[in-house]
Parts: sequence; structure tokens; C-alpha cells
Amino acid sequence: AQTVTQSQPEMSVQEAETVTLSCTYDTSESDYYLFWYKQPPSRQMILVIRQEAYKQQNATENRFSVNFQKAAKSFSLKISDSQLGDAAMYFCAYRRSQGGSEKLVFGKGTKLTVNP
Amino acid sequence: GAGVSQSPSNKVTEKGKDVELRCDPISGHTALYWYRQSLGQGLEFLIYFQGNSAPDKSGLPSDRFSAERTGGSVSTLTIQRTQQEDSAVYLCASSRTRGSNEQFFGPGTRLTVL
Repeated sequence: AQTVTQSQPEMSVQEAETVTLSCTYDTSESDYYLFWYKQPPSRQMILVIRQEAYKQQNATENRFSVNFQKAAKSFSLKISDSQLGDAAMYFCAYRRSQGGSEKLVFGKGTKLTVNP
Repeated sequence: GAGVSQSPSNKVTEKGKDVELRCDPISGHTALYWYRQSLGQGLEFLIYFQGNSAPDKSGLPSDRFSAERTGGSVSTLTIQRTQQEDSAVYLCASSRTRGSNEQFFGPGTRLTVL
């Protein structure tokens, strides 16, 4: 079974600085998807960024980028120029690419605090 | 357009009572998922519906949990004889088609079992 591990229960960053959230996963499959979701206090899960395992290029969405290391099974999220609105829980998630259930497997999350 | 909606937003019940949680997916989305988020934990998969295919019920924690999806749209998650450990936020998500990359989440139902 696939597992996702987020080793940092909490992180903090100063406004305008850069922070990196860590995520590792375990799978025997070669093709899959990885995601970072943001969950603010409103509980609404919002997709931040996604990465397809067959793509070597790291995904980027504005101030958010990932460092995808397939061999190491590592998928970290970098937030640049942090803003107060970035404060939230961040969840790393895995999904197999084809066949069977398309459920997401989540890590336990990292609580990000942004200090003004 | 409207996103995924869930009702009620909060539910408080007594141990042993049955509860029903409702999810309205985005119109036209064929896939629907239920997840459970316990305090301080990540999301745990419960059940997955895809079109007319048999649902994947592999995540349901016990036979007290069941779910149905009527007409390929609205879904109801039912918990019978609730226990205190059932207290959690129950999140519903939908996606456009099989293989779609993005699941869109609702705001969840916070269930408290006294």
C-alpha cells in the first residue's frame, strides 16, 4: 500500500521569505500523481500544485514550486515570497495513475504559520 | 459555477444514534469521493463512486458505515449507531471524469458524537 509522510507537523516563516515543506512517499508503481493541497481554517481543501511522475520537470504555479525527486521518492513544496494568506494546513497527497480506485492517499499535514 | 456542497455543516449527535451526511457534487462530475479527517490527522479515504461502476468501499472502517449515490449525482453517507471515535470532519470531493487529475472538495461536515 502507498504511504505518504510529512515529517514537519508545524513550520513558520516570515512574511516575504521562502519556506520549504517536506513530503516523502512510498510506492512500487512507476506512474502516479502527486499533489499539494492547502486547507485554511474554513476547511475547504484547495489544490495548490500537482506533479505527474513521468514528467521530469518540476511543476510551478506562481509562487509555488515543487522539488520532485523520483528516485528518492521525495516531493517538497517551496513557497516563495510568503504571504499572510498562505497560512494554512498543507497536505501532500498521492494518487495512482491508472487502474483501480482513484483515491488520494494523504500525509498528516504541516501547519504553516506566516509571521508579519 | 457552484462548487461541491455538503450538509449539514455541523452535526452533533448522541452516541448510538444514526446520522446522514449529504454531498452535492459539481454538476456533470462523474466521480465522487468521501474522506474522513480526524483531529490532527490527514484525510482518510472512505469510499469512491465512478459513474455506474460498483463503488470502491475499501476505506469504510466498519459495517456501521454505508454510502449511496442516487442518479449519479447526490451522495449520502450514513453512519449507524454512532460512536465517539466517529467524531471527525467528513469531506466529499468530486472530479470530472475517470482519470481527471483534480478532485474538488466541499467544505465538509463536522460530526461530533457525545
